[in-house]
Amino acid sequence: SQKIEQNSEALNIQEGKTATLTCNYTNYSPAYLQWYRQDPGRGPVFLLLIRENEKEKRKERLKVTFDTTLKQSLFHITASQPADSATYLCALDRGYQKVTFGTGTKLQVIP
Amino acid sequence: EPEVTQTPSHQVTQMGQEVILRCVPISNHLYFYWYRQILGQKVEFLVSFYNNEISEKSEIFDDQFSVERPDGSNFTLKIRSTKLEDSAMYFCASSEGGDRLVHFGNGTRLTVT
Repeated sequence: SQKIEQNSEALNIQEGKTATLTCNYTNYSPAYLQWYRQDPGRGPVFLLLIRENEKEKRKERLKVTFDTTLKQSLFHITASQPADSATYLCALDRGYQKVTFGTGTKLQVIP
Repeated sequence: EPEVTQTPSHQVTQMGQEVILRCVPISNHLYFYWYRQILGQKVEFLVSFYNNEISEKSEIFDDQFSVERPDGSNFTLKIRSTKLEDSAMYFCASSEGGDRLVHFGNGTRLTVT
C-alpha cells in the first residue's frame, strides 16, 4: 500500500543551525511533492512545491530536494529561528488534485 | 492577502445529527477541497470539487458526506447522521489549479458527543 513516512520524532535544533527534515514514500509515483507548515490549531500553509523532473528548489531560507530514485525528499531550513518552530508536512500529488499528506515532523528551534 | 474562511470555528453536535460546515474559498479560485484531521493524526483528503462537480473523492467520503457550492462564493460540507468518529478538524482549501498552490482555511473543529 502507499505510504509516506516522516520522522515522527520531534526534531530539536539550536537557533542558527540548519534543520533537515526527511520524507520517504513507497508505492507512489508522485508528479509533485509539496511541503507545508502547520501551527497548532491552524490549517497547513503551503511552502514549496517540487516537480518530479526537478532535483532541487529554493525559496529564501528553505531548500527542498527530490530524489525519485530513492523516493525521498529532504527539506532544509537554514539559519533557523525560534519562529520556524512548527510541524512540517510532506505531501504527494499525483496530478489529479488529490494531495496525500504525511504525518508531519515537529520542529523545535531552541534559542 | 486573500484567505479561505471557515465557519463556525467550533461545532458541537450530538451523534445522529446532521451538520453543515461552511467555507468561503478565495474568489478567483476554481478548485475546492475538503480535508480532515483527527486529533494527533495526519491530514486526510476527503473530496475535490471543480466545475460544479466532484472531481475526486477518498474512501472516507461515503454516502454520509456531500458537498455543494450553493452560490458563487460558498462551499459546504454536509455530514448526515454524525458518528463519534467524525470528530475531527475539517479543513476547506482552494486553488487556482495551474500553480498547484493550495490555500487552506483554519478549520472547523467538529465534536460529536
